Amino acid sequence: NAGVMQNPRHLVRRRGQEARLRCSPMKGHSHVYWYRQLPEEGLKFMVYLQKENIIDESGMPKERFSAEFPKEGPSILRIQQVVRGDSAAYFCASSQSVQGVETQYFGPGTRLLVL
Amino acid sequence: KQEVTQIPAALSVPEGENLVLNCSFTDSAIYNLQWFRQDPGKGLTSLLLIQSSQREQTSGRLNASLDKSSGRSTLYIAASQPGDSATYLCAVPRSNTGKLIFGQGTTLQVKP
Repeated sequence: NAGVMQNPRHLVRRRGQEARLRCSPMKGHSHVYWYRQLPEEGLKFMVYLQKENIIDESGMPKERFSAEFPKEGPSILRIQQVVRGDSAAYFCASSQSVQGVETQYFGPGTRLLVL
Repeated sequence: KQEVTQIPAALSVPEGENLVLNCSFTDSAIYNLQWFRQDPGKGLTSLLLIQSSQREQTSGRLNASLDKSSGRSTLYIAASQPGDSATYLCAVPRSNTGKLIFGQGTTLQVKP
């Protein structure tokens, strides 16, 4: 089992460009969570998805940010028209189920730098 | 609203010492509590998960306890080693969707 995979590991964008972050959950996991870690701050929940459904996006900014988890392929976190304040580490986590709230397994993260 | 606090923010100890990291949470109605380790520039590694019905969990030199009534958890590290140097995070899930609320972390340095 390869674990949670994220790519790219590092991403540099200029202000106004788009950033696409990908997350492949562990095999057999159908629950995906995205978290953001701003410099010198803790990890904050952004969005929770199951296959083809957004379950909870209460932590995601209302504008410029979107997420999807299609039936086939990885989960995508998309940031349009990036600004310097979007520079952060973005982590994806997956779990097998929510019942009993199981352990979440984290990927290595994507470090986004906006110039 | 659930808030998670970790004290101290940073800790430096000589190799071989036993140490305790603290985590407190404001809402005692939790499903479980999870301890993670984060190395600089890396992702999170799950260390221990304590279910709400449990009092403690052990893995090697690590022992985590949970006291729901007082809203506290501790992570005990025995015979610390330089390789234990990292940031330790505790987290509790909010509601039954599983989204985690994290503390700010304790950055541990173990000096050889």
